[in-house]
Amino acid sequence: DAKTTQPPSMDCAEGRAANLPCNHSTISGNEYVYWYRQIHSQGPQYIIHGLKNNETNEMASLIITEDRKSSTLILPHATLRDTAVYYCIVYSGNTGKLIFGQGTTLQVKP
Amino acid sequence: NAGVTQTPKFQVLKTGQSMTLQCAQDMNHEYMSWYRQDPGMGLRLIHYSVGAGITDQGEVPNGYNVSRSTTEDFPLRLLSAAPSQTSVYFCASSSGQSFYGYTFGSGTRLTVV
Repeated sequence: DAKTTQPPSMDCAEGRAANLPCNHSTISGNEYVYWYRQIHSQGPQYIIHGLKNNETNEMASLIITEDRKSSTLILPHATLRDTAVYYCIVYSGNTGKLIFGQGTTLQVKP
Repeated sequence: NAGVTQTPKFQVLKTGQSMTLQCAQDMNHEYMSWYRQDPGMGLRLIHYSVGAGITDQGEVPNGYNVSRSTTEDFPLRLLSAAPSQTSVYFCASSSGQSFYGYTFGSGTRLTVV
């Protein structure tokens, strides 16, 4: 299983873009980059995923480098409700084995 | 749809007792998993299943048993509870090749005294 490296914590001002980086240098060709977040002690929530191309949905954008060794999750206009732990995970979807790392704690400040 | 339903939401056990945490999903998902989350830590995979009758160990399987007799249900059994198993347990399900990953339940808070 490819592993990911994320900064343990980040701050962001409310209304500004939050850019959360993730390194996954050992990612395989058939593995996707998934992002989840966990607000307080709730169950994790799916945000977005991608393989090679950049992706955008109503929650966030995902930028994946051309060599696929790193990615950035972008929350375009962070709100206080975006304060959470954000997990970057490499997952193929074939094995069913979804492994979480330590994630990044994002604190959005007024 | 109810999604992923976990019962009970809270449980206190005495050391050495056994119990089963229940997990059910109504989305006809093939994949199901159990995680534990200790205070201030990330989620760790206990056991997972890619279909009825198929289970496999995750990162921290010791002290836990699972079975998957139906697509809908994936119970987690604690054989002889220990204080080290005090944690929040999350169940999750996915449609396998789903491009939306896993859907998580709301968790079971277990305290072993």
